Amino acid sequence: AQSVTQLGSHVSVSEGALVLLRCNYSSSVPPYLFWYVQYPNQGLQLLLKYTSAATLVKGINGFEAEFKKSETSFHLTKPSAHMSDAAEYFCAVSEGGGADGLTFGKGTHLIIQP
Amino acid sequence: EAGVAQSPRYKIIEKRQSVAFWCNPISGHATLYWYQQILGQGPKLLIQFQNNGVVDDSQLPKDRFSAERLKGVDSTLKIQPAKLEDSAVYLCASSLDKGSVYGYTFGSGTRLTVV
Repeated sequence: AQSVTQLGSHVSVSEGALVLLRCNYSSSVPPYLFWYVQYPNQGLQLLLKYTSAATLVKGINGFEAEFKKSETSFHLTKPSAHMSDAAEYFCAVSEGGGADGLTFGKGTHLIIQP
Repeated sequence: EAGVAQSPRYKIIEKRQSVAFWCNPISGHATLYWYQQILGQGPKLLIQFQNNGVVDDSQLPKDRFSAERLKGVDSTLKIQPAKLEDSAVYLCASSLDKGSVYGYTFGSGTRLTVV
């Protein structure tokens, strides 16, 4: 069975500082990995996804993530935080079979300090 | 391209009552998913449809939850009878085919409060 662990339910960074949100996964097959962002009272918006191509994945809004098989990690980074990045971030995994629903982590609330 | 439409946006009911949520996926999307997101947690998959057939309903509490996707387009998720712990946001997502390949598009959700 697949699972996702997000370290840190809340992360606080200063505006302009590096953003690092951690995600570790467990999967019995090569996984598809995703990062989503959720703003209050809104649905989920895809930031980026890994589907077994390049291990460094670039997404929207300056975010990127690196797939590290040896560490079973898929951490999300952004070089310089902006106030508009404040939101809930979810890491998710799919094993890509016919039943390919997503398994989500519990989420990390990103707080941007002015 | 219109997004995934869900209604109602908000619903408040008393425990033991029944409730239904509606989802209209993006036109042409064969795969449809329902998720339950309890406050402070990540979404949990309830059921996946491929056209009008069920692919995965292993996490659907079948004693009280039911879902259907007639004609392979719109879908309805029903809870009967509702319990307090069913309070959550119910998200619908759709994909052209396999979401892991073509991507998942989420609706804005229905927020259910059971009192």
